[in-house]
Amino acid sequence: QSVLTQPPSVSGAPGQRVTISCTGSSSNIGAGYDVHWYQQLPGTAPKLLIYADSNRPSGVPDRFSGSKSGTSASLAITGLQAEDEADYYCQSYDSSLSVWVFGGGTQLTVL
Amino acid sequence: QVQLQESGPGLVKPSQTLSLTCTVSGGSISSDNYYWSWIRQPAGKGLEWIGRIYISGSTYYNPSLKSRVTISVDMSKNQFSLKLSSVTAADTAVYYCTKFSYYSATYYAWFDPWGPGTLVTVSS
Repeated sequence: QSVLTQPPSVSGAPGQRVTISCTGSSSNIGAGYDVHWYQQLPGTAPKLLIYADSNRPSGVPDRFSGSKSGTSASLAITGLQAEDEADYYCQSYDSSLSVWVFGGGTQLTVL
Repeated sequence: QVQLQESGPGLVKPSQTLSLTCTVSGGSISSDNYYWSWIRQPAGKGLEWIGRIYISGSTYYNPSLKSRVTISVDMSKNQFSLKLSSVTAADTAVYYCTKFSYYSATYYAWFDPWGPGTLVTVSS
């Protein structure tokens, strides 16, 4: 079981908005540690999508946004496109385990 | 932007030592205050952070793997390496090397960029 909990799958039609949740606890997200998001296209390495809760690296479309509140974080994708079909992972630090941890991943299907 | 590339044997026998190297290009491994990390992903599963190294050679490992992991750096070759001893089938995974970036404290670190990954299978 992952320390950070994500829904196994989400789906949406092209053009729609979807959100992916990442639920942690008082030893990670709730302790104020930053949340980062990665996109993993099939057969490729993860790619940084959002860092430090809500910041987009250069080149990431503004259709992707991140937020954090309490012990949870969310990734929102607006104007869904077929190319967004991928696995998405959240990541943070856990002070109880003293390691950087990932969520179990969410598979996004574009209908 | 630096690029990373993993290399090493794709097949390791049980009880032996897995050895991988990550070659950094497009920049010096010793420039700026970066750490370098290894992360693995079993087929169809999530990501597990293995450990990190600083250019000084200082290391920190995942406690769950600490007794079996060694990460080292060779600045002359712009490379860092991973050794995982006493492997079992549970160590079969795609192994990624990545840069470990942060802005104030390492607790806030993220991983970017990543190498393409290399599949290591543990089997006799």
